[in-house]
Formats: sequence, C-alpha cells, structure tokens
Amino acid sequence: GQSLEQPSEVTAVEGAIVQINCTYQTSGFYGLSWYQQHDGGAPTFLSYNALDGLEETGRFSSFLSRSDSYGYLLLQELQMKDSASYFCAVRDGFGNEKLTFGTGTRLTIIP
Amino acid sequence: NAGVTQTPKFRVLKTGQSMTLLCAQDMNHEYMYWYRQDPGMGLRLIHYSVGEGTTAKGEVPDGYNVSRLKKQNFLLGLESAAPSQTSVYFCASSTLAGRTDTQYFGPGTRLTVL
Repeated sequence: GQSLEQPSEVTAVEGAIVQINCTYQTSGFYGLSWYQQHDGGAPTFLSYNALDGLEETGRFSSFLSRSDSYGYLLLQELQMKDSASYFCAVRDGFGNEKLTFGTGTRLTIIP
Repeated sequence: NAGVTQTPKFRVLKTGQSMTLLCAQDMNHEYMYWYRQDPGMGLRLIHYSVGEGTTAKGEVPDGYNVSRLKKQNFLLGLESAAPSQTSVYFCASSTLAGRTDTQYFGPGTRLTVL
C-alpha cells in the first residue's frame, strides 16, 4: 500500500517563507503532486514533480528527492490568502491513474 | 467551460434512505473519481473510472456503487445510507494528456446521514 506523511499544522508570518514537507512510502512511484484547499472549497492543483529537483510556479515551488522518498512545497512572500490546507499526493504506477493523498497540512498565516 | 459540476450541493438523509450523487464534466476527460473527505482524513478514493462503461474500486468502496454510462457523467449511489457516510463528497476528473497528475475537482456535496 501507500502512505504519506505531512505535518498536520503549520503557522507562518505574512511576507515570510514556509516549507511543507511530505514523505511517502509506495510500492512504486511515478509522481508527487500538491493541491491547495481553502475552507469550504474544493482542492485545486498546484504543482507536480516526476523527476528530482525543483519546479517553480510563481510564489510556489515544489521539490522532489526520489532517493529519499521526500518532497516539499515552498511558499514565498506569504499572503493571508495562502491560509489553506495543502495536500501532497502520489501516483504509484504508470497507467495507474489513481492518486493517494496525504492527510493534509493546515497552513495559518498570521500578520 | 463549467469544468466539473456536482449535484446536489447539500443533502440530509435518514438512515436507510438511498440517493444518487451526480458528477458531470465538460472537458472530455477520460478519468473520473469519487472521493470522500472527513476531518483529519484527507481525501479517500471511493471508486473511479478510466473510461465510459468501466468502473473500479478505490480505497473505501463499501456501501457505494457507481456507474459511468456516458463519458461526461459519473454517478455515485448510496443504497442504504448510514451515519458513517456523513461526509463531504468530491468528484474529480483527469486526462491522459500532459501526464501532470492534475485532477480537476467539483465543488463538493455535503451529505449528512441522521
């Protein structure tokens, strides 16, 4: 089976940088993705890594180390609207379109 | 483009009642999914479909049935609702193109079973 671990809660200051970690244990691995969900809303896709390294999309970056079964989401220049839950998700097989989601990290931004 | 839509948005059932949740997508996506989300549990896959006429079980399929008679629609049925099925249900869709593991989610259905 698959399991993902991420911190349940993180608090950060507006304007600062925060990193949300995700470690995974899967029988196979074909990609790590990140989703954002505001309270009462639907998850929305943020980022995807299939290969080792850093992917940057505006203020958000995502990193993957397949040898360490580890990835992180980096949010820069934090804004109050970044307060949300963030989920990492893995796909464990080519042609397997299922994602397994972590339990989510609730990020709170304080002024 | 409406994306992924779900009906209804809210529903209250009594134990033992049945209902069907409807998901529709207008992006011509091959894959569709039903998840449930409970506090502290993240998103758990109930059933999914890789194409019209095909369905498969996910992580928590018991008590649910699904059908995908048309490519754009994916129905989730509860034959005899139980309080343990109180949850927020999300439908999602994705496509083979791009292979970026992007799933597009509907707005969710909040279901309460009394």
